[in-house]
Amino acid sequence: DAKTTQPPSMDCAEGRAANLPCNHSTISGNEYVYWYRQIHSQGPQYIIHGLKNNETNEMASLIITEDRKSSTLILPHATLRDTAVYYCIALYSGGGADGLTFGKGTHLIIQP
Amino acid sequence: GAGVSQSPSNKVTEKGKDVELRCDPISGHTALYWYRQSLGQGLEFLIYFQGNSAPDKSGLPSDRFSAERTGGSVSTLTIQRTQQEDSAVYLCASSSPGGLRNTIYFGEGSWLTVV
Repeated sequence: DAKTTQPPSMDCAEGRAANLPCNHSTISGNEYVYWYRQIHSQGPQYIIHGLKNNETNEMASLIITEDRKSSTLILPHATLRDTAVYYCIALYSGGGADGLTFGKGTHLIIQP
Repeated sequence: GAGVSQSPSNKVTEKGKDVELRCDPISGHTALYWYRQSLGQGLEFLIYFQGNSAPDKSGLPSDRFSAERTGGSVSTLTIQRTQQEDSAVYLCASSSPGGLRNTIYFGEGSWLTVV
C-alpha cells in the first residue's frame, strides 16, 4: 500500500470547515484513498473513500487532485465532537493479505 | 450484535502471565484483522484472516503472540509470557465479503496493562 503523509496536528474553529490534507504521491491506479478517524478511547471509524472523483457523504467530502497525488478531507461545519485523529490511507481495492497500515494521522482539535 | 464485539474491555495482568483477548466480528464478515495501538502511537497491524485462507501473520511482533479464528467467526489473540511493552489497546476489525474494504468496522478494543 502507498505511503501517505499528513500534518501531525491542526486546529479549527467550531462551525467552520475543517480541511485536512493528505499527500500520497506514490499511489497507484488501483489504490483507493480512505479516511478513518479515531476519537479518544474508541476504535477507528470509517469516514469516506474515493478513487478519482470527489465524493461526499453525510459525514464529509473528499477532494482528490486530478493527478491523485494528494487529497483533502473536508468537514463542512466542524463541531467539538469532531476532535479526533484523522487517518488517510491508500488501499489496493482488490483486497488481499495485507492489512490496513495506519500512520500517526492528523490530530484535529476543534476550538470552541 | 450489530458491531464488532471485543472482550475483555480492560485487562490488568502480571508480567509473565498469559492473556487471551476475544473478538466477535460482525456476522457474515469473512475478513478479520487484529491491530495494536500503544499510547500515542498509530495502529500496528498484527494479523489478518480471510475466509479459509491461511492467515497473514506478518505483523505479529514475536512468537509469544498467536491468534486463531475458529469456524470462520470468533477470533482469539493470545499473548504468552506477557511483558510490560505488551501494554496497549488491541483492536479487532472485520469487513464484508468482496474486494472493497470500505465496510471495515472496528471494535472498541481491549485495553491491556501488564504490571
